[in-house]
Amino acid sequence: EAGVTQFPSHSVIEKGQTVTLRCDPISGHDNLYWYRRVMGKEIKFLLHFVKESKQDESGMPNNRFLAERTGGTYSTLKVQPAELEDSGVYFCASSQAFTGRLFFGSGTQLSVL
Amino acid sequence: AQKVTQAQTEISVVEKEDVTLDCVYETRDTTYYLFWYKQPPSGELVFLIRRNSFDEQNEISGRYSWNFQKSTSSFNFTITASQVVDSAVYFCALSEEFDSWGKLQFGAGTQVVVTP
Repeated sequence: EAGVTQFPSHSVIEKGQTVTLRCDPISGHDNLYWYRRVMGKEIKFLLHFVKESKQDESGMPNNRFLAERTGGTYSTLKVQPAELEDSGVYFCASSQAFTGRLFFGSGTQLSVL
Repeated sequence: AQKVTQAQTEISVVEKEDVTLDCVYETRDTTYYLFWYKQPPSGELVFLIRRNSFDEQNEISGRYSWNFQKSTSSFNFTITASQVVDSAVYFCALSEEFDSWGKLQFGAGTQVVVTP
């Protein structure tokens, strides 16, 4: 069974540019989460999808971040325009209904210069 | 306010030594969930255990054991007879929301380095 896949694994962009991160959850997992770890800080929750609906987006830092999950399959997280403080590792995780276990991807390392 | 505190930034041990990772949490909820995840060098977080607030039974899984004490708000993790493959960052996490139990609040993580 394929795990959670994220790409790109690394992205280096300049301030002001746009970047789109993609996450492919495990097939059949309705729940999809985005997390972020900025340098020196804890891993922080960004948002939670149940199928294609946003269940909780309380962790999204501002309106420069846009997450979508069309058709309830893969998800994208777009940052537009990117700022220096957006640098960090973005993790995606998926799960079935309450199983108490998240499956994480390896993350996308985003560097904004 | 930080909800999950992992005071140990890094722990270095020699293979076969035991290592205990501390985790202290803070919540006002009576129902909550505690987790441990392992992050090996490959980067992905790997689930190790989930514990419900109403289940204070300690658990052992192979060389891993967990000590949950509500009285001290702690959920400590011990690796017995450590091996080089145990080298990783270990995260303790708290979930306070049943409807969104996957909304985890992570501690800062503890880097474990096991040398041969």
